[in-house]
Amino acid sequence: LAKTTQPISMDSYEGQEVNITCSHNNIATNDYITWYQQFPSQGPRFIIQGYKTKVTNEVASLFIPADRKSSTLSLPRVSLSDTAVYYCLVGDGSNYQLIWGAGTKLIIKP
Amino acid sequence: DTEVTQTPKHLVMGMTNKKSLKCEQHMGHRAMYWYKQKAKKPPELMFVYSYEKLSINESVPSRFSPECPNSSLLNLHLHALQPEDSALYLCASSQFPDEQFFGPGTRLTVL
Repeated sequence: LAKTTQPISMDSYEGQEVNITCSHNNIATNDYITWYQQFPSQGPRFIIQGYKTKVTNEVASLFIPADRKSSTLSLPRVSLSDTAVYYCLVGDGSNYQLIWGAGTKLIIKP
Repeated sequence: DTEVTQTPKHLVMGMTNKKSLKCEQHMGHRAMYWYKQKAKKPPELMFVYSYEKLSINESVPSRFSPECPNSSLLNLHLHALQPEDSALYLCASSQFPDEQFFGPGTRLTVL
């Protein structure tokens, strides 16, 4: 099973673009990469998922290089409300077992 | 309805008590999950039900007993818990394993 590594914490300022990188050197061919956001005392919330290249939705973009050994979650123009923990997960989903990263605590400052 | 609900929000129990956590979803999802989350740690998968059948049990102690009465409901029965079992218990559901919808969790304290 792939293991993910992500920074423990990051700081940024309102209006900036934030990029959080996750390393997953042992990712398997069938594995997808998924990111979740979690606020204190709440359940995680799905942000975005991808397999390769670039995926974009209304809240974020996910960049995955050709070797798929890492991925970068990009949050455009962050606000204070984006302060949260962000988890990187890899897995093929076929057996419902996903490997959660340790999480990156993102703090947005005014 | 795109919500997963969990009751109760908070639970305090003694080590000899028996209690149950409840989870409900009406999104027609085929899979439901129980996770345990300690402070500053990622969620740890405990159980997965797929089409109302237990498909994954991550070597969870028998003092935790899951139940899936129907496709919308998931229970977690607790008995003889230890103080180290205090945590946030999260329920989730999904149609596809990667996009899970989480409830707000039950904050459990074992005295």
